[in-house]
Amino acid sequence: DIQMTQSPSSLSASVGDRVTITCRASQSVDKYVNWYQQKPGKAPRLLMYGAVSLHTGVPARFSGSGSGTDFTLTISTLQPEDFATYYCQQSYRIPRTFGQGTRLDIK
Amino acid sequence: QVQLQESGPGLVRPSETLSLTCSVSGGFLTSAGYYWGWIRQPPGKGLEWIGHIYYSESTDYNPSLGGRVTISVDTSKNQFSLKLTSVTATDTAVYFCAGCSSWTPPYYFDHWGQGALVTVSS
Repeated sequence: DIQMTQSPSSLSASVGDRVTITCRASQSVDKYVNWYQQKPGKAPRLLMYGAVSLHTGVPARFSGSGSGTDFTLTISTLQPEDFATYYCQQSYRIPRTFGQGTRLDIK
Repeated sequence: QVQLQESGPGLVRPSETLSLTCSVSGGFLTSAGYYWGWIRQPPGKGLEWIGHIYYSESTDYNPSLGGRVTISVDTSKNQFSLKLTSVTATDTAVYFCAGCSSWTPPYYFDHWGQGALVTVSS
């Protein structure tokens, strides 16, 4: 299985900050990484797909980069609604695997 | 707007079979998406991909579940289903159904149900 490792596991930040979350794959997954946001008690929400493509309706302050084994999700200017848990997922191989999550909370 | 809704028992006894159904509305299952899948999340933990079905009959499953999983589609009801046999307490989780509307790579889940908590307990 391809292991997806996110860092950090948790992060405290303030509204207006720029935040970057990293996801590393245990082997190359080309560009096939998706990012999801999950709030407590809710289903995950797709933010980015194919590493760099912004899903419809997602604010432009979210961006993604990377290919191969190293990927990042960046939030350029944190808004109050962005405090949540973020997951990366690879869709390159079966089984699809998720990172362990990065919890982003308010400093 | 495609919407998904899980349904099924919230309590399953150990060694029995967990059965959930996902009803798709706002579009036909055979045309609204390519992959239809299940993901679960144990209380307080991360997401685990269970498996998916595509072309209405081809399936991929997570090997970590030891061959206990079956995903199927009922196009007449616009639903797809999950069966997980021989459950134990470690199968207690919120189960999400999800759909991928992309017909070409990269594949992703852009439609999600709200989730259904299933507890395994006697």
